Amino acid sequence: NAGVTQTPKFQVLKTGQSMTLQCAQDMNHEYMSWYRQDPGMGLRLIHYSVGAGITDQGEVPNGYNVSRSTTEDFPLRLLSAAPSQTSVYFCASSYSNSLPQHFGDGTRLSIL
Amino acid sequence: AQTVTQSQPEMSVQEAETVTLSCTYDTSESDYYLFWYKQPPSRQMILVIRQEAYKQQNATENRFSVNFQKAAKSFSLKISDSQLGDAAMYFCAYRSAMDSNYQLIWGAGTKLIIKP
Repeated sequence: NAGVTQTPKFQVLKTGQSMTLQCAQDMNHEYMSWYRQDPGMGLRLIHYSVGAGITDQGEVPNGYNVSRSTTEDFPLRLLSAAPSQTSVYFCASSYSNSLPQHFGDGTRLSIL
Repeated sequence: AQTVTQSQPEMSVQEAETVTLSCTYDTSESDYYLFWYKQPPSRQMILVIRQEAYKQQNATENRFSVNFQKAAKSFSLKISDSQLGDAAMYFCAYRSAMDSNYQLIWGAGTKLIIKP
């Protein structure tokens, strides 16, 4: 099993550019989520999904868009990149809320 | 809203000794889950230990154990016989047991340094 796979691992963007961070899991987990990690802070939830076709906003959703067309994939879109979105992004999934989340290896994103 | 506080930005311990990392949380819920995650320099987020709030018994995983004090809303992590590979950021996290709420609430983390 690959677990949770995130691509790319690193990315540099210019202000105003758009891009999609990919996340895929092969564990048939219904729940998937995106977090951002900034220095000195815990992870903050951006968006999450409890199943295909269902998404909802987390704590810091502005500037990001998600969709969930399949159980396996949960891409995160930056609509118009801003320097404040420079961060490390983690995708996570779990089978139920009583079980721990599995994390991808993260994407380090820099916005110039 | 729930919050998680880790009051120790950095801790250091001599190899083979024991160290305790602190975590407190605030919630009005009675049923929830608590987690400790480890993040080494490789950036992976690795589950260390998990505790269900309805269980009075403290969770243990090999050299890692917790001291769960529900009334005090405290959830500390004890690492025994510290090893160089334990050096990492450690995060405490809270999750509601409500079926509709999968969100993890995170502390800011504690950097653990192991001295050889």
